[in-house]
Amino acid sequence: EAQVTQNPRYLITVTGKKLTVTCSQNMNHEYMSWYRQDPGLGLRQIYYSMNVEVTDKGDVPEGYKVSRKEKRNFPLILESPSPNQTSLYFCASARIYSGSYEQYFGPGTRLTVT
Amino acid sequence: AQSVAQPEDQVNVAEGNPLTVKCTYSVSGNPYLFWYVQYPNRGLQFLLKYITGDNLVKGSYGFEAEFNKSQTSFHLKKPSALVSDSALYFCAVRDGDDKIIFGKGTRLHILP
Repeated sequence: EAQVTQNPRYLITVTGKKLTVTCSQNMNHEYMSWYRQDPGLGLRQIYYSMNVEVTDKGDVPEGYKVSRKEKRNFPLILESPSPNQTSLYFCASARIYSGSYEQYFGPGTRLTVT
Repeated sequence: AQSVAQPEDQVNVAEGNPLTVKCTYSVSGNPYLFWYVQYPNRGLQFLLKYITGDNLVKGSYGFEAEFNKSQTSFHLKKPSALVSDSALYFCAVRDGDDKIIFGKGTRLHILP
């Protein structure tokens, strides 16, 4: 089954404790992206990647890191989480070299930073 | 700056009536435009897209959208609403740098 998986689905942590949210896709998609969803603000792009070893900042990259060492994986790293990073996070992937850009989304990770 | 606007936070429609969810955009170059739907406690699902060609695009679940270049709009439509269409709808645009910009979302309520 074609899918994007994220882990963990729920996470409660404390300020300053480094964490990683994993994202994996099995569709051989070139494009991968992380978004955060906050009430009244819609989805905002954090980082995106056009292919292995290529990453770019989205609209809200501050406080986040990503890496793309393999095509299928695109982890999101919070080196020192803060309460304003409490949010619902979505990973997505898309095929782009056929001109599609239709994104497939993971189920989401609800993060709470206390 | 590139942007997407969904001017209505919420749209209420009676079941069986036509529905429209509005979206306008600002992006340089030729836009790639998308609609996604989010059901409660779920991730987003792709509905339809416009990249080039016919201005009227058809998508999943009977939805369609019309690209209007002069009005920079990409409104989502359906001829006859179902209660099961109740969800949060997002318009999105790809900019020239391959960023994807989403609108803030419109909550659609279909009233039985």
